[in-house]
Formats: sequence, structure tokens, C-alpha cells
Amino acid sequence: KAGVTQTPRYLIKTRGQQVTLSCSPISGHRSVSWYQQTPGQGLQFLFEYFSETQRNKGNFPGRFSGRQFSNSRSEMNVSTLELGDSALYLCASSKGQFPMGTQYFGPGTRLLVL
Amino acid sequence: KNQVEQSPQSLIILEGKNCTLQCNYTVSPFSNLRWYKQDTGRGPVSLTIMTFSENTKSNGRYTATLDADTKQSSLHITASQLSDSASYICVVSGDQGAQKLVFGQGTRLTINP
Repeated sequence: KAGVTQTPRYLIKTRGQQVTLSCSPISGHRSVSWYQQTPGQGLQFLFEYFSETQRNKGNFPGRFSGRQFSNSRSEMNVSTLELGDSALYLCASSKGQFPMGTQYFGPGTRLLVL
Repeated sequence: KNQVEQSPQSLIILEGKNCTLQCNYTVSPFSNLRWYKQDTGRGPVSLTIMTFSENTKSNGRYTATLDADTKQSSLHITASQLSDSASYICVVSGDQGAQKLVFGQGTRLTINP
């Protein structure tokens, strides 16, 4: 069974640009959640999608948005990038709605904002 | 304020030795507590999930304990191996689901030969 995949793995952008990250969950998993990880703040929850609906949201500004498609694949978009957005962005999938059940993480997308 | 504090921040032990990592939390009400292992450059991997009624849960050489009264959890690693070198992250969920998801800063464990 294939694991969670994220594309791209690495990305370099400049301030003010926008970026879209993609996450393909494990087959059969309907919940996808997104996280930001930085050395200073650690792991922080962004949002979670279940059956194409955003069910939970963390404390991030509106520049961070996402969506989920009917095949459970999810995208995360960050508009008007800031230097502080440089981070590892992780997505995780689970069968049931998070936070119940085991989550399986992808390898992450490392974003560098210059 | 909901917090999760992990100790120590970092730990170095010799291969074959045992070690215990600590997680103290103030999240209330409590739903579940998870331990993750994260290798450098990779996503976290779930080790255990514990609910209020569970005191101990094992996953191979990893054993997690939970004391909901004192709001403390520990992760014990037996007979450490070089592959155990990683960051270990404690995550606590409140009863409002992911909106009350609180992460610890992690313990960086290094196993030396």
C-alpha cells in the first residue's frame, strides 16, 4: 500500500508570491490534515479536511487555505508569502476524522521564502 | 493556557541502554495523547495513541504510560538501537478535536554506538 505522498518536496519562493502544495493520502483515507513545522515553533496544526469539507482549523491567518477533492487528494495554498512562512509543511491522512485514529504523515514539502 | 512540555530537550545514550522521555500537559478536558517518532528529514510516525482510560500501551520496544490524574506521560525505550535516534514528539488532544491540538517541542534522542 502506497504511503502519503507530497509534492513538490522542495520549493524556493520569494516574498509576496503564492505557493500551492499537494498531498495524496493513503488509498481509502478520507481525512487529510496539514501542519507547519519550524525549529522555533515546532509542529503546528493548520487545518483538516474530511470528505471535501474543512472540519477543523488552527490559528493561522487567512493567507493559508486549502481544499480537498473528491478523490481525497488535498492542496494547501499560501498567498502573499512572508519570510516566516519558511518551514516544513507536512500532511497526514487517516481513515476516520482526525484527531481520532492513527495518522500517517507524508515526507513533507520544505518551503524556503527568500 | 493549554501546554505540553517535554523533557529532556535532548538526550544522548549508548546503544543497548534504556531511556525514558517525559511529557507533562495542561490540556483540559483531555481526549487522547499521542507519541510520534520523527527521523531527520522525514514526517512523524505514530508510535502510540492513548485515551483517558489507558495507563500503558506498547509498540515493540516502545512503551508509553499515561497518568491522567497528574497529567503526565512517559515513553520508555528498551534496549535502544542506532535507528532510535530521532525526535520524539508528544501531542495532546482536547475534547474539541483538532482545535485543541497541542504539540510538545519534542525530545531529540541520539543513540551512540
